[in-house]
Amino acid sequence: GEDVEQSLFLSVREGDSSVINCTYTDSSSTYLYWYKQEPGAGLQLLTYIFSNMDMKQDQRLTVLLNKKDKHLSLRIADTQTGDSAIYFCAERNSGGYQKVTFGTGTKLQVIP
Amino acid sequence: DTEVTQTPKHLVMGMTNKKSLKCEQHMGHRAMYWYKQKAKKPPELMFVYSYEKLSINESVPSRFSPECPNSSLLNLHLHALQPEDSALYLCASSQAVAETEAFFGQGTRLTVV
Repeated sequence: GEDVEQSLFLSVREGDSSVINCTYTDSSSTYLYWYKQEPGAGLQLLTYIFSNMDMKQDQRLTVLLNKKDKHLSLRIADTQTGDSAIYFCAERNSGGYQKVTFGTGTKLQVIP
Repeated sequence: DTEVTQTPKHLVMGMTNKKSLKCEQHMGHRAMYWYKQKAKKPPELMFVYSYEKLSINESVPSRFSPECPNSSLLNLHLHALQPEDSALYLCASSQAVAETEAFFGQGTRLTVV
């Protein structure tokens, strides 16, 4: 089955860059996603990358994908206190109804 | 309108109660989903509806009963729940099942007492 792993916690100072990492096992992934979840709220899709790309940049967000190592990262430039949240990576596989599997989530703490 | 609206935001129910969670979207999406999220855990898929028909049931106990009365609405009927069913229930929708982007609602925080 699919397995998506993340480190549990990351703490950065305001203004620094944050890098959140994710590893996955499903080699048939088609799309990989980053979602943000603030306390008590639903999930907000931040960005996604197609599996044949290796990088995608969207304003302060940069996604890097190493398909060979099955490693995905999200870099947030100039991290702000409003970026404090839990970040989930997720992968969509290519089989059946293309199930989306979420990672374990990384809690990002931004210190003023 | 890119919103998925869930009601109620919070729900406390006894183990003998019957209640329903509601989800609504007006984006013309034809795929809708229910997820369950326990504290400090990732969301877990429960049900997938495609064109108002149940496509996937991820081995969810029968005390959870989904219903899709029309293309904009998705309900989750709850009956005889257990305290371990307490969680955040998230609804999501996408243009179609294989569509790239899924939009999530804010969730219903359910507590079973």
